[in-house]
Amino acid sequence: EDKVVQSPLSLVVHEGDTVTLNCSYEVTNFRSLLWYKQEKKAPTFLFMLTSSGIEKKSGRLSSILDKKELFSILNITATQTGDSAVYLCAVVSGSRLTFGEGTQLTVNP
Amino acid sequence: EAQVTQNPRYLITVTGKKLTVTCSQNMNHEYMSWYRQDPGLGLRQIYYSMNVEVTDKGDVPEGYKVSRKEKRNFPLILESPSPNQTSLYFCASSFGSLGSEAFFGQGTRLTVV
Repeated sequence: EDKVVQSPLSLVVHEGDTVTLNCSYEVTNFRSLLWYKQEKKAPTFLFMLTSSGIEKKSGRLSSILDKKELFSILNITATQTGDSAVYLCAVVSGSRLTFGEGTQLTVNP
Repeated sequence: EAQVTQNPRYLITVTGKKLTVTCSQNMNHEYMSWYRQDPGLGLRQIYYSMNVEVTDKGDVPEGYKVSRKEKRNFPLILESPSPNQTSLYFCASSFGSLGSEAFFGQGTRLTVV
């Protein structure tokens, strides 16, 4: 059975802090890993990672994949209150998409 | 505007009364799927479809049916809803077979009493 585990499950930080969210996986036929942000509604796409060691970056957010150790991290620098959300990691295996439970990030002013 | 549209957004129904949640996308995507989201369990895939007339079970298909008669539409059917199907449901689509970005609908909050 495919498995995606995110940690921590929740995190509370102050504005300006840097956070690292973790995603580990055990799947057959890995194709890609996706990060989404969910703010009380539909998940919105952040990154797709397919190759090990290549960092994807968008503003203050960045992510990297390690296919040997089967994990990915999502970094957010200089956090803002608008970053408060659930961050979801999902792995594409064959024709299926398996999500982790998500990390609830709360950024306090 | 590229989008995935689900209807209804909110629904309260009674046990055993058949219902359909519609999903439509305007991006000509081949791949469509349904998920349910429950506290502590995250998003779980119910069914997916790789193209017209091609559907397959996800992780939690029991109690659900789907059909894919047209590329743009992928309705989710609950023939006899039960209270354990109370959940937040999302439809998603992506280009080609899964591996690219999935676009999500706005969600349908279903309550079965």
